[in-house]
Amino acid sequence: EAQVTQNPRYLITVTGKKLTVTCSQNMNHEYMSWYRQDPGLGLRQIYYSMNVEVTDKGDVPEGYKVSRKEKRNFPLILESPSPNQTSLYFCASSSPGTSGILETQYFGPGTRLLVL
Amino acid sequence: QQQVKQSPQSLIVQKGGISIINCAYENTAFDYFPWYQQFPGKGPALLIAIRPDVSEKKEGRFTISFNKSAKQFSLHIMDSQPGDSATYFCAVRNAGNNRKLIWGLGTSLAVNP
Repeated sequence: EAQVTQNPRYLITVTGKKLTVTCSQNMNHEYMSWYRQDPGLGLRQIYYSMNVEVTDKGDVPEGYKVSRKEKRNFPLILESPSPNQTSLYFCASSSPGTSGILETQYFGPGTRLLVL
Repeated sequence: QQQVKQSPQSLIVQKGGISIINCAYENTAFDYFPWYQQFPGKGPALLIAIRPDVSEKKEGRFTISFNKSAKQFSLHIMDSQPGDSATYFCAVRNAGNNRKLIWGLGTSLAVNP
């Protein structure tokens, strides 16, 4: 089954304790992205990756790191989490459609993070 | 600044009615206009999408209407059902190489039985 998986699904942590949220896709997609979703603010892109070893900042990258050492995996790292990073996080992957224009972003199930 | 403005923020429709959600965008450097549907506890999923060279696209009960000159596009859900109750997001894709999606803030749709 084609899917994007994220772990953990729920996480409660304390300020300053480093954490990693894993993301993996089995569709051989080149493009992967991390979003955070907050009430009233919609989906905001944190980081994205066009392919292995190619990553770039999205709209809200501060306090986050990513890496793309393998095509299927795109972990999100919070080196020193703070309460304002409490949010719902989504990983997504996509690949250009046959036309190169129409593409579907496939989202993971989300990770709900609470930073105390 | 917000490049995609989505309205309304919330919408209540009776079963069998038509749900209409609108999005307006602010520049012309976009090449792809998808709508995503998100159920509680799930990630967004692509519902329907349109290219700028097409004015309308229909898939079952869902239709996108696209007005390039007005820089607006809308989602119409015909014969709305309680199972359509979800949050809907419009997005526009940057025509550049980074393929970035810029998202509207979402519309919470409730369809009453």
